[in-house]
Amino acid sequence: ETGVTQTPRHLVMGMTNKKSLKCEQHLGHNAMYWYKQSAKKPLELMFVYSLEERVENNSVPSRFSPECPNSSHLFLHLHTLQPEDSALYLCASSQERGQRYEQYFGPGTRLTVT
Amino acid sequence: LAKTTQPISMDSYEGQEVNITCSHNNIATNDYITWYQQFPSQGPRFIIQGYKTKVTNEVASLFIPADRKSSTLSLPRVSLSDTAVYYCLVDFSGAGSYQLTFGKGTKLSVIP
Repeated sequence: ETGVTQTPRHLVMGMTNKKSLKCEQHLGHNAMYWYKQSAKKPLELMFVYSLEERVENNSVPSRFSPECPNSSHLFLHLHTLQPEDSALYLCASSQERGQRYEQYFGPGTRLTVT
Repeated sequence: LAKTTQPISMDSYEGQEVNITCSHNNIATNDYITWYQQFPSQGPRFIIQGYKTKVTNEVASLFIPADRKSSTLSLPRVSLSDTAVYYCLVDFSGAGSYQLTFGKGTKLSVIP
Protein backbone atom coordinates (compact mmCIF):
# COMPACT_ATOMS: atom_id res chain seq x y z
CA GLU A 1 0.00 0.00 0.00
CA THR A 2 1.41 3.34 -1.09
CA GLY A 3 -1.31 5.54 0.34
CA VAL A 4 -2.66 6.28 -3.13
CA THR A 5 -5.79 4.45 -4.28
CA GLN A 6 -7.37 4.35 -7.72
CA THR A 7 -10.78 3.21 -8.86
CA PRO A 8 -11.80 1.37 -10.86
CA ARG A 9 -8.88 -0.98 -11.34
CA HIS A 10 -10.21 -2.11 -14.71
CA LEU A 11 -12.52 -0.33 -17.14
CA VAL A 12 -13.87 -1.27 -20.54
CA MET A 13 -15.70 1.43 -22.43
CA GLY A 14 -17.00 2.12 -25.90
CA MET A 15 -15.90 5.11 -27.91
CA THR A 16 -19.14 6.97 -27.26
CA ASN A 17 -19.17 6.43 -23.51
CA LYS A 18 -18.35 8.88 -20.76
CA LYS A 19 -16.54 7.60 -17.70
CA SER A 20 -14.34 8.92 -14.92
CA LEU A 21 -11.26 7.62 -13.16
CA LYS A 22 -10.79 8.44 -9.51
CA CYS A 23 -7.65 8.85 -7.45
CA GLU A 24 -7.37 9.50 -3.73
CA GLN A 25 -4.26 10.05 -1.65
CA HIS A 26 -4.09 9.72 2.12
CA LEU A 27 -0.61 11.18 2.53
CA GLY A 28 -1.32 14.86 2.99
CA HIS A 29 0.49 15.73 -0.24
CA ASN A 30 0.03 18.94 -2.17
CA ALA A 31 0.75 17.74 -5.70
CA MET A 32 -1.02 15.10 -7.78
CA TYR A 33 -0.31 13.70 -11.23
CA TRP A 34 -1.91 11.68 -14.00
CA TYR A 35 0.30 9.46 -16.16
CA LYS A 36 -0.46 7.25 -19.13
CA GLN A 37 1.46 4.03 -19.72
CA SER A 38 0.96 2.08 -22.92
CA ALA A 39 2.82 -0.87 -24.32
CA LYS A 40 4.57 1.11 -27.01
CA LYS A 41 5.53 4.26 -25.13
CA PRO A 42 7.23 5.13 -21.87
CA LEU A 43 5.39 6.65 -18.96
CA GLU A 44 3.84 9.89 -20.18
CA LEU A 45 3.00 12.70 -17.83
CA MET A 46 -0.47 14.02 -18.66
CA PHE A 47 -1.41 16.52 -15.97
CA VAL A 48 0.04 18.01 -12.82
CA TYR A 49 -1.92 19.68 -10.04
CA SER A 50 -0.35 21.65 -7.25
CA LEU A 51 -2.59 22.84 -4.41
CA GLU A 52 -5.62 22.03 -6.58
CA GLU A 53 -4.41 24.21 -9.44
CA ARG A 54 -3.45 22.67 -12.76
CA VAL A 55 0.12 23.62 -13.49
CA GLU A 56 0.96 21.36 -16.39
CA ASN A 57 -0.89 19.99 -19.37
CA ASN A 58 1.35 18.10 -21.74
CA SER A 59 -0.55 18.46 -25.00
CA VAL A 60 -3.17 15.99 -23.96
CA PRO A 61 -6.25 15.68 -26.22
CA SER A 62 -9.36 17.41 -24.93
CA ARG A 63 -11.18 14.09 -24.65
CA PHE A 64 -9.26 13.78 -21.37
CA SER A 65 -10.43 16.28 -18.77
CA PRO A 66 -8.87 16.39 -15.29
CA GLU A 67 -10.49 17.68 -12.14
CA CYS A 68 -8.97 18.28 -8.71
CA PRO A 69 -11.70 19.32 -6.24
CA ASN A 70 -9.33 19.22 -3.26
CA SER A 71 -5.78 18.21 -2.49
CA SER A 72 -6.73 14.61 -1.73
CA HIS A 73 -8.79 13.78 -4.79
CA LEU A 74 -8.08 13.75 -8.49
CA PHE A 75 -10.36 12.72 -11.33
CA LEU A 76 -9.82 12.05 -15.00
CA HIS A 77 -13.00 12.43 -17.04
CA LEU A 78 -13.08 10.48 -20.28
CA HIS A 79 -15.33 11.00 -23.29
CA THR A 80 -15.33 9.90 -26.93
CA LEU A 81 -12.09 8.03 -26.52
CA GLN A 82 -10.23 6.22 -29.28
CA PRO A 83 -8.90 2.66 -29.23
CA GLU A 84 -5.35 4.02 -29.02
CA ASP A 85 -6.26 5.49 -25.65
CA SER A 86 -6.29 1.99 -24.19
CA ALA A 87 -3.55 1.98 -21.58
CA LEU A 88 -2.72 1.87 -17.89
CA TYR A 89 -3.54 5.19 -16.26
CA LEU A 90 -1.53 5.91 -13.17
CA CYS A 91 -2.11 8.51 -10.50
CA ALA A 92 0.68 9.75 -8.24
CA SER A 93 1.16 12.28 -5.49
CA SER A 94 4.12 14.03 -3.88
CA GLN A 95 4.66 16.39 -1.00
CA GLU A 96 5.21 19.30 -3.36
CA ARG A 97 5.44 19.64 -7.14
CA GLY A 98 8.81 18.78 -8.57
CA GLN A 99 10.99 15.80 -9.25
CA ARG A 100 12.95 16.52 -6.07
CA TYR A 101 10.00 15.08 -4.15
CA GLU A 102 9.38 11.35 -4.17
CA GLN A 103 6.25 10.38 -6.04
CA TYR A 104 3.91 7.76 -4.65
CA PHE A 105 1.99 5.89 -7.32
CA GLY A 106 -1.35 4.19 -7.18
CA PRO A 107 -1.94 0.73 -8.66
CA GLY A 108 -3.40 2.17 -11.85
CA THR A 109 -6.58 1.75 -13.88
CA ARG A 110 -6.35 -0.58 -16.86
CA LEU A 111 -8.50 1.05 -19.54
CA THR A 112 -9.68 -0.72 -22.66
CA VAL A 113 -11.52 1.26 -25.34
CA THR A 114 -13.55 -0.85 -27.73
CA LEU B 1 13.30 17.44 -26.94
CA ALA B 2 15.23 16.59 -23.81
CA LYS B 3 15.19 12.91 -22.94
CA THR B 4 16.92 10.10 -21.14
CA THR B 5 18.39 6.98 -22.70
CA GLN B 6 18.71 3.58 -21.03
CA PRO B 7 19.37 0.03 -22.26
CA ILE B 8 16.11 -1.68 -23.14
CA SER B 9 16.89 -4.86 -21.24
CA MET B 10 19.48 -6.63 -19.11
CA ASP B 11 19.89 -10.15 -17.77
CA SER B 12 21.71 -11.10 -14.62
CA TYR B 13 22.20 -14.16 -12.44
CA GLU B 14 21.16 -14.16 -8.83
CA GLY B 15 23.80 -12.84 -6.48
CA GLN B 16 25.52 -10.65 -9.05
CA GLU B 17 25.86 -6.89 -8.97
CA VAL B 18 23.86 -5.10 -11.67
CA ASN B 19 24.70 -1.67 -13.06
CA ILE B 20 22.19 0.22 -15.21
CA THR B 21 23.34 3.41 -16.90
CA CYS B 22 21.14 6.31 -17.97
CA SER B 23 22.21 9.14 -20.31
CA HIS B 24 20.76 12.62 -19.79
CA ASN B 25 22.83 15.01 -21.87
CA ASN B 26 20.53 18.00 -21.39
CA ILE B 27 20.29 17.89 -17.63
CA ALA B 28 19.99 21.34 -16.05
CA THR B 29 22.03 22.69 -13.19
CA ASN B 30 19.26 22.32 -10.63
CA ASP B 31 17.94 18.94 -11.76
CA TYR B 32 18.13 15.81 -9.66
CA ILE B 33 18.34 12.25 -10.97
CA THR B 34 15.81 9.80 -9.63
CA TRP B 35 15.33 6.09 -10.21
CA TYR B 36 12.09 4.16 -9.90
CA GLN B 37 11.30 0.46 -9.99
CA GLN B 38 8.13 -0.99 -11.48
CA PHE B 39 6.72 -4.50 -11.18
CA PRO B 40 4.05 -5.76 -13.61
CA SER B 41 0.57 -4.36 -12.99
CA GLN B 42 1.84 -1.98 -10.30
CA GLY B 43 2.76 1.69 -10.19
CA PRO B 44 6.45 2.69 -10.06
CA ARG B 45 8.20 2.84 -6.71
CA PHE B 46 10.97 5.24 -5.70
CA ILE B 47 14.41 3.66 -5.30
CA ILE B 48 17.01 6.39 -4.98
CA GLN B 49 17.79 10.01 -5.85
CA GLY B 50 20.98 11.98 -6.23
CA TYR B 51 22.52 15.19 -7.52
CA LYS B 52 26.24 14.43 -7.84
CA THR B 53 28.95 11.93 -6.88
CA LYS B 54 27.55 8.95 -5.00
CA VAL B 55 24.42 8.19 -3.00
CA THR B 56 23.74 4.93 -1.19
CA ASN B 57 20.73 3.58 0.65
CA GLU B 58 19.66 0.16 1.87
CA VAL B 59 18.51 -0.86 -1.60
CA ALA B 60 20.92 0.61 -4.14
CA SER B 61 23.72 3.01 -4.96
CA LEU B 62 23.69 5.82 -7.48
CA PHE B 63 26.86 7.02 -9.17
CA ILE B 64 26.92 10.39 -10.93
CA PRO B 65 30.07 11.66 -12.72
CA ALA B 66 31.19 15.26 -12.50
CA ASP B 67 29.60 16.32 -15.79
CA ARG B 68 26.26 14.78 -14.68
CA LYS B 69 25.40 13.77 -18.24
CA SER B 70 24.85 10.20 -17.14
CA SER B 71 24.17 8.20 -13.99
CA THR B 72 24.49 4.56 -12.99
CA LEU B 73 22.14 2.66 -10.71
CA SER B 74 23.91 -0.17 -8.93
CA LEU B 75 21.97 -3.05 -7.38
CA PRO B 76 24.15 -5.26 -5.18
CA ARG B 77 23.64 -9.04 -5.19
CA VAL B 78 20.33 -9.13 -7.04
CA SER B 79 17.65 -11.71 -6.30
CA LEU B 80 14.72 -12.99 -8.35
CA SER B 81 12.48 -10.40 -6.72
CA ASP B 82 14.53 -7.64 -8.33
CA THR B 83 13.14 -8.62 -11.73
CA ALA B 84 11.36 -5.43 -12.79
CA VAL B 85 11.58 -2.38 -15.04
CA TYR B 86 13.87 0.39 -13.81
CA TYR B 87 13.27 3.99 -14.84
CA CYS B 88 15.63 6.92 -14.83
CA LEU B 89 13.93 10.26 -14.19
CA VAL B 90 15.24 13.77 -14.75
CA ASP B 91 13.26 16.93 -14.31
CA PHE B 92 14.50 18.81 -17.39
CA SER B 93 12.92 21.92 -15.96
CA GLY B 94 15.85 24.11 -16.83
CA ALA B 95 13.92 25.67 -19.69
CA GLY B 96 11.40 27.11 -17.27
CA SER B 97 8.62 24.60 -17.79
CA TYR B 98 7.94 21.59 -15.66
CA GLN B 99 8.85 18.65 -17.87
CA LEU B 100 9.05 15.48 -15.86
CA THR B 101 10.46 12.80 -18.14
CA PHE B 102 10.72 9.09 -17.52
CA GLY B 103 13.11 7.11 -19.69
CA LYS B 104 11.85 4.11 -21.60
CA GLY B 105 13.02 1.96 -18.77
CA THR B 106 15.34 -1.01 -18.50
CA LYS B 107 13.76 -4.42 -18.08
CA LEU B 108 15.96 -6.39 -15.71
CA SER B 109 15.55 -10.15 -15.69
CA VAL B 110 17.24 -12.02 -12.85
CA ILE B 111 18.00 -15.63 -13.67
CA PRO B 112 18.26 -18.36 -11.01
